[in-house]
Formats: sequence, structure tokens, C-alpha cells
Amino acid sequence: GAVVSQHPSWVICKSGTSVKIECRSLDFQATTMFWYRQFPKQSLMLMATSNEGSKATYEQGVEKDKFLINHASLTLSTLTVTSAHPEDSSFYICSARETIGAEQYFGPGTRLTVT
Amino acid sequence: QQQVKQSPQSLIVQKGGISIINCAYENTAFDYFPWYQQFPGKGPALLIAIRPDVSEKKEGRFTISFNKSAKQFSLHIMDSQPGDSATYFCAARGLTGANNLFFGTGTRLTVIP
Repeated sequence: GAVVSQHPSWVICKSGTSVKIECRSLDFQATTMFWYRQFPKQSLMLMATSNEGSKATYEQGVEKDKFLINHASLTLSTLTVTSAHPEDSSFYICSARETIGAEQYFGPGTRLTVT
Repeated sequence: QQQVKQSPQSLIVQKGGISIINCAYENTAFDYFPWYQQFPGKGPALLIAIRPDVSEKKEGRFTISFNKSAKQFSLHIMDSQPGDSATYFCAARGLTGANNLFFGTGTRLTVIP
């Protein structure tokens, strides 16, 4: 299957700072990328959907000013957690698909810890 | 509102046994039903998927059974192995709208030797 990478795989940051997570589709062009958040022993929660060159669509309850998503190219999307707080500590997973209806491939996830 | 309901929450199976995980949905617009396997600290990986035009799909030790009239589908893992110990998520997706995946709540499978 296609490969989606994330960087970094884990990051620790201080409260109040911002952190950027990158998501790349390595062998296909992703017109749509998704960002999920997963708490321990829970399911994946969709945060936002982004289409290349367009503004991201955020799910209800997700602060778009706090979780900045950029999908500037067909192979790269970034999630920036601004002014991070301990409650933002979580496992963030990106996903990408080539076209609507196509298989959705998941990245390995990024563990964010805010101290 | 949970679009896809999954049970059980956890499952312990002896090595060589059959693991069965069930999911149910309400939205008849769903037309794609994948199962994902997730190991701790990793992203989910597609295991097997089915569309509603077939009632069963088998890939190796993994089988999806699909009951369109009951709006239920299940994952069967035959000859379960300790390496199968992971969390399994069912999901559903429709062709219309945002075409997003809706995930079940997950089942933590433990296969004991």
C-alpha cells in the first residue's frame, strides 16, 4: 500500500510554545489529508479535513486558531499546535487519500507531550 | 452520536481460537466498511475492507461478514496468534458528502499463548 510519513514521531514542548507536525504522502499525490487526535485507549477523533490549496474544514469543537492546518502541496500537510497546553498532549495521526472514494492511508502518528 | 457501534470493548482469546468483533451502523448511505489494526504507539493500518454488494470477504486468516439488512458487519480472525494482539477498529464511509471515515470505538484483542 501507499506510505504516509509523519515527523516528528514524538515531541515534548513547554506550555505556551507552538509545535509543528508534518505529514507527507511518499508515493502518491494526496488531494485530501485528514488530521486525527487519539487519546489513550480511545478511538480516532477527526479534527479536520484539508484539500490541497484550500482552507481546512474543522470538525465541531476543534479550535481552528489553535490547530492550524496547511495543505500547501499534494504531498505535504502540516498541523501546528499553537500556544500548546498540557491538555493538548495526545497522539496525533494524519491520513491521506489520492481522490475521493480512494483508500485512506494513515501515518505512524506523533506523540505530543506538553509540559 | 456514534455512527458506528463496536463490540466488545476488549477480547481475550486463546492461541488458535477464533476472535470475533462486531460492528453496527445506521446510515444506509455507507458503502465501504474497512477494518483497521493498530499496535500501541503506531498509526492504524488497513487490514481488510468490504463493500455491501458482497456478504463475505476473506483474506488469509481474516474474514469480514456483512449483513446489509441488519446493518451489521463483523471481523473474524481464525487461528488467532499472539502477534494479532492489537486494537481493532471498524469504520464506515459513504460516497457522498465529505466522504470521511467514521470509526468504531475499538476492540482491544489479547491472544494468550
